[in-house]
Amino acid sequence: GQQLNQSPQSMFIQEGEDVSMNCTSSSIFNTWLWYKQDPGEGPVLLIALYKAGELTSNGRLTAQFGITRKDSFLNISASIPSDVGIYFCAGLRRSQGNLIFGKGTKLSVKP
Amino acid sequence: DTEVTQTPKHLVMGMTNKKSLKCEQHMGHRAMYWYKQKAKKPPELMFVYSYEKLSINESVPSRFSPECPNSSLLNLHLHALQPEDSALYLCASSQIQGALSATNEKLFFGSGTQLSVL
Repeated sequence: GQQLNQSPQSMFIQEGEDVSMNCTSSSIFNTWLWYKQDPGEGPVLLIALYKAGELTSNGRLTAQFGITRKDSFLNISASIPSDVGIYFCAGLRRSQGNLIFGKGTKLSVKP
Repeated sequence: DTEVTQTPKHLVMGMTNKKSLKCEQHMGHRAMYWYKQKAKKPPELMFVYSYEKLSINESVPSRFSPECPNSSLLNLHLHALQPEDSALYLCASSQIQGALSATNEKLFFGSGTQLSVL
């Protein structure tokens, strides 16, 4: 079946530290999307990636589309308390048209 | 404007009630989606409308009935739900579903309706 392996499942870090999370798959994707979700709210789109090797930044966030097209990484630099939440990766294959979601990375930041 | 608006924010209903969830977007998107999300899990696709026509039904029970009155609106009609249907229901939209053409496809979510079935 279609699966995205997202890791780590959870992270507990100190404010100011950098964070890294990733998603891997055995299948190729055309698009990678990264979302952040706060409790009781919908996922908010952070970064979208469309080309293998693409590196895109959004403030302190940087994401990369893996060269093999089977993985993607999200980095957060100098974390702050409001970075707390669940981060989801999602991959899209144009032939299918539906997003496949990773299981999420729960980020906790200690002030 | 990248906003998808959902109402109500919270809904409590009994198993014999009939209720509707509403979703609206004014981005000119032609694909709209319903997702169901349980706590600490990723969203699960329920339905997709493409150009106001139902294109995907992920084997959702008939007690959930979607409707797309026009390109900006999406409803989800609920009837005879079970307690296990309690979840966050998310609406989303994208320019075109999937796509042969989309090199910049993005999916935007609303803030969701937190549904509790008693």
